[in-house]
Amino acid sequence: AQKVTQAQTEISVVEKEDVTLDCVYETRDTTYYLFWYKQPPSGELVFLIRRNSFDEQNEISGRYSWNFQKSTSSFNFTITASQVVDSAVYFCALSESNRDDKIIFGKGTRLHILP
Amino acid sequence: EAQVTQNPRYLITVTGKKLTVTCSQNMNHEYMSWYRQDPGLGLRQIYYSMNVEVTDKGDVPEGYKVSRKEKRNFPLILESPSPNQTSLYFCASAHVQGPYSNQPQHFGDGTRLSIL
Repeated sequence: AQKVTQAQTEISVVEKEDVTLDCVYETRDTTYYLFWYKQPPSGELVFLIRRNSFDEQNEISGRYSWNFQKSTSSFNFTITASQVVDSAVYFCALSESNRDDKIIFGKGTRLHILP
Repeated sequence: EAQVTQNPRYLITVTGKKLTVTCSQNMNHEYMSWYRQDPGLGLRQIYYSMNVEVTDKGDVPEGYKVSRKEKRNFPLILESPSPNQTSLYFCASAHVQGPYSNQPQHFGDGTRLSIL
């Protein structure tokens, strides 16, 4: 069965520190997709990234980077030089190719960036 | 502007009084879905639809109904709401381009329902 685990319920770091949010997934499918979404205090869900299972290349977008490792079934998200505006709940999600776009979300990690 | 619009944004109502939360998207997306978000549980899928007249149950469909008569609309119906359906609800849509598309879903701003 597919499952997404975000073991860190809540994290607090001081501004400018780097922080990594962990995501571990379970799936029996060989083709799947991983996502990260951000939910700021205003409540909306903001798409950050989608990664295919056959593309293990890490990705960097500004201060954000993602480390995808199939060997450990992890898709971790790192924010470099964190800012107060990064404070949000972050969700990791998984979708299997044979499941009609059904997507399973992790329970989220609440990130506090302290000034 | 491409968007997913949910209405109402907030609703307080009483047990047993039928209610409908509307969801509309202007991106001509085939796929639409409803989720509920509860503290400590993340987002859980209620129902989804791959296209007009095609709907399927998600993980927590009990107590909910949906319909997809038009491509742009996907209302969520609570025929007899109960307090355990108090939650934050999100509608989402995505473009489906084939079996390996899995395009990112676009979410509405959420509807906060309180059932007393």
